[in-house]
Amino acid sequence: DVKVTQSSRYLVKRTGEKVFLECVQDMDHENMFWYRQDPGLGLRLIYFSYDVKMKEKGDIPEGYSVSREKKERFSLILESASTNQTSMYLCASSFGGLLYQPQHFGDGTRLSIL
Amino acid sequence: KNEVEQSPQNLTAQEGEFITINCSYSVGISALHWLQQHPGGGIVSLFMLSSGKKKHGRLIATINIQEKHSSLHITASHPRDSAVYICAVVDYGGSQGNLIFGKGTKLSVKP
Repeated sequence: DVKVTQSSRYLVKRTGEKVFLECVQDMDHENMFWYRQDPGLGLRLIYFSYDVKMKEKGDIPEGYSVSREKKERFSLILESASTNQTSMYLCASSFGGLLYQPQHFGDGTRLSIL
Repeated sequence: KNEVEQSPQNLTAQEGEFITINCSYSVGISALHWLQQHPGGGIVSLFMLSSGKKKHGRLIATINIQEKHSSLHITASHPRDSAVYICAVVDYGGSQGNLIFGKGTKLSVKP
């Protein structure tokens, strides 16, 4: 079974801090994704990566950056955390290729910015 | 942009009832996902379909490409089915692997 592991289930940080959310997958997937999920808004794509060191902006990249130095690991970085970044963050991964491949999700990180 | 609409937003049922959740979309798609999210937060894929009908246990998913509509049915519902059900489509025009999500349907099944 595919395993997508997010480093923390719950995280509390302070405004202005630099925050790192880590995601690791064990299935040699090319594609990795970071989403945030808010009540009434559903899941929104922040960034995705289709290869090591490659990244593409999603729908809401402002205030975030990402890093993919190794194929199995995709990090989301909040450069200077703000209270409006309090949310549930979900990581996903999938195989690459021309045809769509199902995404596999982690358990999520519930981040609170105080 | 509301390219994927789900109804109802919230649904309460009694154990044993037949449940239907609907998903309508406005874009051309190559596939449609039904996802389940339990209160803990993790998301699992229930079905991926591009035509017709799929069945897994008490769950049935159908899609009508011409009408741009999909339904998820749960037969003989059980309290453990309580979760948020999310419809997501793979947009023909979108970047590789990107999904467009509905806002989800929160299902609560009472014993």
